[in-house]
Amino acid sequence: GGIITQTPKFLIGQEGQKLTLKCQQNFNHDTMYWYRQDSGKGLRLIYYSITENDLQKGDLSEGYDASREKKSSFSLTVTSAQKNEMAVFLCASSPLTNSGNTLYFGEGSRLIVV
Amino acid sequence: GEQVEQRPPHLSVREGDSAIIICTYTDSATAYFSWYKQEAGAGLQLLMSVLSNVDRKEEQGLTVLLNKKDKRLSLNLTAAHPGDSAVYFCAVSATGYNQGKLIFGQGTKLSIKP
Repeated sequence: GGIITQTPKFLIGQEGQKLTLKCQQNFNHDTMYWYRQDSGKGLRLIYYSITENDLQKGDLSEGYDASREKKSSFSLTVTSAQKNEMAVFLCASSPLTNSGNTLYFGEGSRLIVV
Repeated sequence: GEQVEQRPPHLSVREGDSAIIICTYTDSATAYFSWYKQEAGAGLQLLMSVLSNVDRKEEQGLTVLLNKKDKRLSLNLTAAHPGDSAVYFCAVSATGYNQGKLIFGQGTKLSIKP
């Protein structure tokens, strides 16, 4: 089996600061995702990438940048942290198939803005 | 775009009773339907998934029902036990190029009372 590792588990930063979350997967999956989880709002897609060096915007991409330099890693940058952005950020990967799409998730990174 | 509504947001049932969670979606082209479970402090794990040509699927005390006419997806847990306490999410997508974009419901926090 494989695993998705998100670092750090908790990220504390100041308002206006640029902050980066990292994600590594050893499933050898093609596609990776970043979701934001807010209580009562489910998961909202920020960015995804279907292969190395590919980036696709999700519904919540404004205020974020992403980078997929290699197949196994996908990073997410909050360009200017705001207090209303405190949430849990979930990374996932999937083997893209023609018959649906199972996502494998990391444990999440909690962003705290002070 | 696709809209997914999940209810109830909170559900409390006694051990041994059944629990039902419902999602409605708007896009008739939706072709892939799934349910995820998130335990405290963890990422999401896939419980079950169905394609649009399946109306009913049962596995290990879980039943997924798909009503395409009403655009409704449900998850039925029979004989709930304490290990079922978690947050449950439905997630849907189209197949083909957009299959990577899973749209999640808002989540249902299920509590099992002894």
